[in-house]
Amino acid sequence: DGGITQSPKYLFRKEGQNVTLSCEQNLNHDAMYWYRQDPGQGLRLIYYSQIVNDFQKGDIAEGYSVSREKKESFPLTVTSAQKNPTAFYLCASSIWTGRANQPQHFGDGTRLSIL
Amino acid sequence: QKEVEQNSGPLSVPEGAIASLNCTYSDRGSQSFFWYRQYSGKSPELIMFIYSNGDKEDGRFTAQLNKASQYVSLLIRDSQPSDSATYLCAVMLAAGGYQKVTFGIGTKLQVIP
Repeated sequence: DGGITQSPKYLFRKEGQNVTLSCEQNLNHDAMYWYRQDPGQGLRLIYYSQIVNDFQKGDIAEGYSVSREKKESFPLTVTSAQKNPTAFYLCASSIWTGRANQPQHFGDGTRLSIL
Repeated sequence: QKEVEQNSGPLSVPEGAIASLNCTYSDRGSQSFFWYRQYSGKSPELIMFIYSNGDKEDGRFTAQLNKASQYVSLLIRDSQPSDSATYLCAVMLAAGGYQKVTFGIGTKLQVIP
């Protein structure tokens, strides 16, 4: 089945530690996105990538880093600089046509908590 | 003013009734509009999208778009308890060579048996 796989489902971070969230898709989508969701707030964009080896900061990129070495993969690292990392992290992907008409599809998410 | 506004609810409707969920947006250049359903603890699932003014129907769901009023809505007919979820409105435009998507905070819908 085609889809977006996020792992792990739950992740715990110790203070001062970097952690990496995995996102893999087999939909052959060009664009991939990372969002953060906090209670009572909408999804906020962390990073996005439209092609391999290129990515752009979203609205809340501080304390996060990404890479896009393969079309299928877009891992997110939550660094120790992110002081409030507890949230639900969602990876999404979409076809990129150059026009605003392709919906984003989401993985199942990773819940990150502080130990 | 928030870019995409939704009433957080909860919106309570009896089983079998029509649920009406509303969303307004601030950027007149917005081009595409999406509705996602998100069950508690789960990820958003796309249920409807609309690009042109008017109505678009898919089963029990109807999306309505009025670009002049910068308003998009989702109607759910014959509401079922399984429709109880948070409904996210997402607005998309192409800007600076990428698709900018802004999500509302979502409206929580409760369908009462």
